[in-house]
Amino acid sequence: DSGVTQTPKHLITATGQRVTLRCSPRSGDLSVYWYQQSLDQGLQFLIQYYNGEERAKGNILERFSAQQFPDLHSELNLSSLELGDSALYFCASSARDTAHEKLFFGSGTQLSVL
Amino acid sequence: QQPVQSPQAVILREGEDAVINCSSSKALYSVHWYRQKHGEAPVFLMILLKGGEQKGHEKISASFNEKKQQSSLYLTASQLSYSGTYFCGTDSQGGSEKLVFGKGTKLTVNP
Repeated sequence: DSGVTQTPKHLITATGQRVTLRCSPRSGDLSVYWYQQSLDQGLQFLIQYYNGEERAKGNILERFSAQQFPDLHSELNLSSLELGDSALYFCASSARDTAHEKLFFGSGTQLSVL
Repeated sequence: QQPVQSPQAVILREGEDAVINCSSSKALYSVHWYRQKHGEAPVFLMILLKGGEQKGHEKISASFNEKKQQSSLYLTASQLSYSGTYFCGTDSQGGSEKLVFGKGTKLTVNP
């Protein structure tokens, strides 16, 4: 158990809908990362927050947004869902805001858009 | 920019060795290696920092050549438990918070 909690584990929804994925980092970790994993693209970095502030942005679509709350949990919002958004979404956390630290990954949320 | 991993897949018999390579077109400050077993989350193996050091983790070790912008993961005397997909992640911005992963190398170890 990495200590990173993601809910829900599975999410099935229809095209055009909006969903929210939730992540609670390990106790004491200030940095949260979101990754999208699909079969052909591997782990795609989406966005990173540190202590409530956005610190880095990757290949995140405009239909997607995220935030980190004062209690440090984070939410990834996906809207106007398309079939191609079906993927496994991972959240990871680290203690600080550098890439020299190891990331602890949650077990992921499997999103299926039908 | 996403690092390139090779090979994409490798099949071994227990006890054989394997090398997984990771290369980037950008100058690297660090390279991370993670292993993901089927249906599970990626798990950290090691970080290599600028300086060409080699690190080890049981019978798994890695090297980092920052001049060539490459890293290699060495799996020695492979065990069944080594099966999984190995990802390298690169930090090319020196202290940036963004870690970009390659597409992964699927390793299968058979009895």
